[in-house]
Amino acid sequence: SAVISQKPSRDICQRGTSLTIQCQVDSQVTMMFWYRQQPGQSLTLIATANQGSEATYESGFVIDKFPISRPNLTFSTLTVSNMSPEDSSIYLCSVEGGTYYEQYFGPGTRLTVT
Amino acid sequence: RKEVEQDPGPFNVPEGATVAFNCTYSNSASQSFFWYRQDCRKEPKLLMSVYSSGNEDGRFTAQLNRASQYISLLIRDSKLSDSATYLCVVIRTGANNLFFGTGTRLTVIP
Repeated sequence: SAVISQKPSRDICQRGTSLTIQCQVDSQVTMMFWYRQQPGQSLTLIATANQGSEATYESGFVIDKFPISRPNLTFSTLTVSNMSPEDSSIYLCSVEGGTYYEQYFGPGTRLTVT
Repeated sequence: RKEVEQDPGPFNVPEGATVAFNCTYSNSASQSFFWYRQDCRKEPKLLMSVYSSGNEDGRFTAQLNRASQYISLLIRDSKLSDSATYLCVVIRTGANNLFFGTGTRLTVIP
C-alpha cells in the first residue's frame, strides 16, 4: 500500500481564518479523496480530487468552503475556509490502491477551531 | 435510511473470547465490502476485504450475504490488541467513494 503523509498533524485555529492541509503520497495515484471525521462520528467523504480536473464534491460540501488543489499525481491540498467551531474535526486524505478499490488513509489532521 | 448500519456496541469481551460484528447495507448495487480497524486517534486501516465466498485471515473471518445485504466479522481467540473500533465499509457500483458505518467499538478485557 502507498505511504501517505499529511501536514499539519494538528492545528488550533481562530474562527474566520483558513487552514490548508497537505497530503503527499509516495507513488503516483489517479484519484485522491478527502474525508472528514467529526468527533464521535464515522468518516464522511468531502470530495474526490483527480489530477488535471476540478474536484467532485459530495452533497453538503461546496468548493467555496473546501477548495481543493491537485497539481500532480502525488500531492493534493484541502483548504478549510472561513472556519467556525463546527469545522473542528479530523480531516483525512486517502488513495485508492487495490484490486477491490479499497482505500488507504493518511494519518489525518486534527483541527480545532476556537 | 443510512447506506451502512452497524451495531455501535460497545462490546466488552474477555481475552480468548469469540466475538461477532454485523453490518447491513442498503444499496443492492454495492460491489465491494471491507472491514477497517480504527484505533483511538488514528486513521482507519484496512483489516480485510470481504469476498462473496467468505474469507478468513488468521483469527478473523468475514462473511457476505448479498441476498440479505449483510456482512459479518468474526474474531476468534480475542487479544487485548484487538481492542479498537471496527468499521464496516461498502463501495457502490459506479462510485469511487467508500461508505462507512458508524463503527463497532470492541474492548478486550484481561
